[in-house]
Amino acid sequence: GAVVSQHPSWVICKSGTSVKIECRSLDFQATTMFWYRQFPKQSLMLMATSNEGSKATYEQGVEKDKFLINHASLTLSTLTVTSAHPEDSSFYICSARGTGETGELFFGEGSRLTVL
Amino acid sequence: AQSVTQLDSQVPVFEEAPVELRCNYSSSVSVYLFWYVQYPNQGLQLLLKYLSGSTLVKGINGFEAEFNKSQTSFHLRKPSVHISDTAEYFCAVSIKAAGNKLTFGGGTRVLVKP
Repeated sequence: GAVVSQHPSWVICKSGTSVKIECRSLDFQATTMFWYRQFPKQSLMLMATSNEGSKATYEQGVEKDKFLINHASLTLSTLTVTSAHPEDSSFYICSARGTGETGELFFGEGSRLTVL
Repeated sequence: AQSVTQLDSQVPVFEEAPVELRCNYSSSVSVYLFWYVQYPNQGLQLLLKYLSGSTLVKGINGFEAEFNKSQTSFHLRKPSVHISDTAEYFCAVSIKAAGNKLTFGGGTRVLVKP
């Protein structure tokens, strides 16, 4: 299947700093990528839909100024957690939609953010 | 809006025993249905999916699921589990006309005991 790569896998930062997480589709072009957040032992919650060349669409309750999403190319979307605080600590997972009628989603390995 | 309910948060099972993970969904429109597996600190891997056609879907690693429209269910089964099947399993739905945006169930943690 298609490969989606996230970087970094782990990141620890100080409160107040910003952190950027990258999501790359390695062997296909993805016009749409999705960003999810997962708290420990919980399900995935969709944060936003990232469309190449346009603004991201955020889910209700997600602060767009807090979680900046950029999808500048067909193979790369980035999520920047700005002015991070301990409550932003979480597992962030991206997925990219393949082509075809069903547009199967392929998931990255996830990025664990710990804010001290 | 659609929703997904996984009735069991945890399922302990002995090695080589069968397992069934229950998933029910609600939606006013047609959906695609998926089961994903997540190993610790990793992303999600697709086990199987129902798009249309035969209601019995076979996936990877010996898993299968049956779509039951009247009961709005999509239960996952495996006749004989291995230790390596210990993981978190997520049922998900997407609306056919909604850009494949997935809605996930709460997850079921399967713990396979020797």
